[in-house]
Amino acid sequence: ILNVEQSPQSLHVQEGDSTNFTCSFPSSNFYALHWYRWETAKSPEALFVMTLNGDEKKKGRISATLNTKEGYSYLYIKGSQPEDSATYLCASASVRSTDKLIFGTGTRLQVFP
Amino acid sequence: DAGVIQSPRHEVTEMGQEVTLRCKPISGHNSLFWYRQTMMRGLELLIYFNNNVPIDDSGMPEDRFSAKMPNASFSTLKIQPSEPRDSAVYFCASSPRTAGNQPQHFGDGTRLSIL
Repeated sequence: ILNVEQSPQSLHVQEGDSTNFTCSFPSSNFYALHWYRWETAKSPEALFVMTLNGDEKKKGRISATLNTKEGYSYLYIKGSQPEDSATYLCASASVRSTDKLIFGTGTRLQVFP
Repeated sequence: DAGVIQSPRHEVTEMGQEVTLRCKPISGHNSLFWYRQTMMRGLELLIYFNNNVPIDDSGMPEDRFSAKMPNASFSTLKIQPSEPRDSAVYFCASSPRTAGNQPQHFGDGTRLSIL
């Protein structure tokens, strides 16, 4: 994988459903993986930054896992609420250019009441 | 605390005109990033600075684009002359230290329309 890829592109769920989506990134020369939440008409907001293989981070109902050997991260939302509706972006940094983030195109989540 | 401040929020101008976008990073942050967001290409890094010094400008589309950071609290992105294909949302972000394991804090963006 040369780029950061996210799937699915969009997702519609009912309030109360749990959901998850995937970020795939280049596993060679891995340095860090970021997740951002981006609400319409606002700016991206950092959720997690992960660096270690097997890392798992949690913020309220949202959690993320990281597998650096195979180059993927999952974002989970437990009991989705309408206010979770947003685009979720992941971004990867490599050891060759640690400051430079390569962003995926995002997963657009819509939660219906 | 104030976040990253960008101005203007919206800019509409005719092609050929010079456009200047402004950014004030969070006080104490050492890294500043300029991104462009389009439907086709998503969020792309244009250029970033560490301690006011440009580090990587490989994402700058062409010579019509230039960016400066004269001091730790101010940066500009200039397009001269502007073209309709430059229409996009431009984001500025800053982070505390010069490493990719620090979260980036984004401004509200400038929505640029070139007619």
